[in-house]
Amino acid sequence: DSGVTQTPKHLITATGQRVTLRCSPRSGDLSVYWYQQSLDQGLQFLIQYYNGEERAKGNILERFSAQQFPDLHSELNLSSLELGDSALYFCASSVGVAGTEALNYEQYFGPGTRLTVT
Amino acid sequence: DAKTTQPNSMESNEEEPVHLPCNHSTISGTDYIHWYRQLPSQGPEYVIHGLTSNVNNRMASLAIAEDRKSSTLILHRATLRDAAVYYCILRGGGADGLTFGKGTHLIIQP
Repeated sequence: DSGVTQTPKHLITATGQRVTLRCSPRSGDLSVYWYQQSLDQGLQFLIQYYNGEERAKGNILERFSAQQFPDLHSELNLSSLELGDSALYFCASSVGVAGTEALNYEQYFGPGTRLTVT
Repeated sequence: DAKTTQPNSMESNEEEPVHLPCNHSTISGTDYIHWYRQLPSQGPEYVIHGLTSNVNNRMASLAIAEDRKSSTLILHRATLRDAAVYYCILRGGGADGLTFGKGTHLIIQP
């Protein structure tokens, strides 16, 4: 158990809909990362938040957005869903250090949310 | 992040050591070498990381070449539970997300 929790475990929805995935980081971790894993694209970094502020963006679509709340939990919002958005979505957390010092710290991943768009 | 090259798959026997290679010839002086693994139906799991010196922890050892252009993850005594995809990742520049390649699919034979 990594200490990172994600809800829900599974989500089935229709094209065009909007969903929200939730992540609670390990106690004390200030950084939250979101990743998408699909069969054709592999594991891809989407976005990072650090202590409530967006820190870095990866291959995140404009239809997707995220936020981190004062209690440090994070939500990933996916809208106008398409069949190709079906994937596993992972959240990871890391200690709260800034800048390049963070390179020396590991990330702890949650169990993921499996999204199926029909 | 600089690119890494790993074999697509490797096979080993249970209770034997496993050496997983990773080439990273374009590594920069400030890039850290991280290893993660992903067991079937689970999220990625941190294994070990290092910068220049060899590293040991309870899960594995990381041997880093003197020129840092390659590294080897060593599982000292593989178990069936070690069957997973192992990812070698370089982290440098900004402290953003991990860049996963295709990794090495490790198969453990009983």
